[in-house]
Amino acid sequence: EVQLLESGGGLVQPGGSLRLSCAASGFTFSSYAMSWVRQAPGKGLEWVSGICGSGGSTYYADSVKGRFTISRDNSKNTLYLQMNSLRAEDTAVYYCAKDFFYNWNDDGGGRFDSWGQGTLVTVSS
Amino acid sequence: DIVMTQSPDSLAVSLGERATINCKSSQSVLYSSNNKNYLAWYQQKPGQPPKLLISWASTRESGVPDRFSGSGSGTDFTLTISSLQAEDVAVYYCQQYYSTPYTFGQGTKLEVK
Repeated sequence: EVQLLESGGGLVQPGGSLRLSCAASGFTFSSYAMSWVRQAPGKGLEWVSGICGSGGSTYYADSVKGRFTISRDNSKNTLYLQMNSLRAEDTAVYYCAKDFFYNWNDDGGGRFDSWGQGTLVTVSS
Repeated sequence: DIVMTQSPDSLAVSLGERATINCKSSQSVLYSSNNKNYLAWYQQKPGQPPKLLISWASTRESGVPDRFSGSGSGTDFTLTISSLQAEDVAVYYCQQYYSTPYTFGQGTKLEVK
């Protein structure tokens, strides 16, 4: 059974930093692209960042480009999201999501068949 | 970016009745070379992460009840629940995976009347 467990969320001041982690189990982690999808309170879903199975290819939404960095450690089956220069509008539940394929850009990639429970990031002074 | 617009924003349906949710994309998500629509539907119950229900506009994922069906092509899509059950109360999202950034609709909240 696929399991994704996020951690690292919390309250941070504007301009601060936070690193999210997602521990994966139940599948061959290095064979699949992974993504972070966020949901602001009471709002819809936004695809924030994606990374291919090897970590060699990444994607960032314009809203986070230059501030967030996605990475993965396949030896630890763990996905990360380093978030810097945080803003109030980054306040959201951040979900770790598994893609269908090795690369989010593969034909049919960009769909998410497993999700973690999410971790809440609150940016406020 | 492809903008996904769902209608209605909320919907109340009696148990056992049909529920229909619409999704419109700002440009076609039909890839002509393979005739596939790059459109997915998700269900999000309160306090839970989203769950993938349908891919390719009409292909149910494993374990999804057959009362859920998807239809449409190009820019206009529909999710239909043929006979609403209490456990179907949720917010439903469409998503395009035709081009990056992959984008979601704003969601449709489905309740029991």
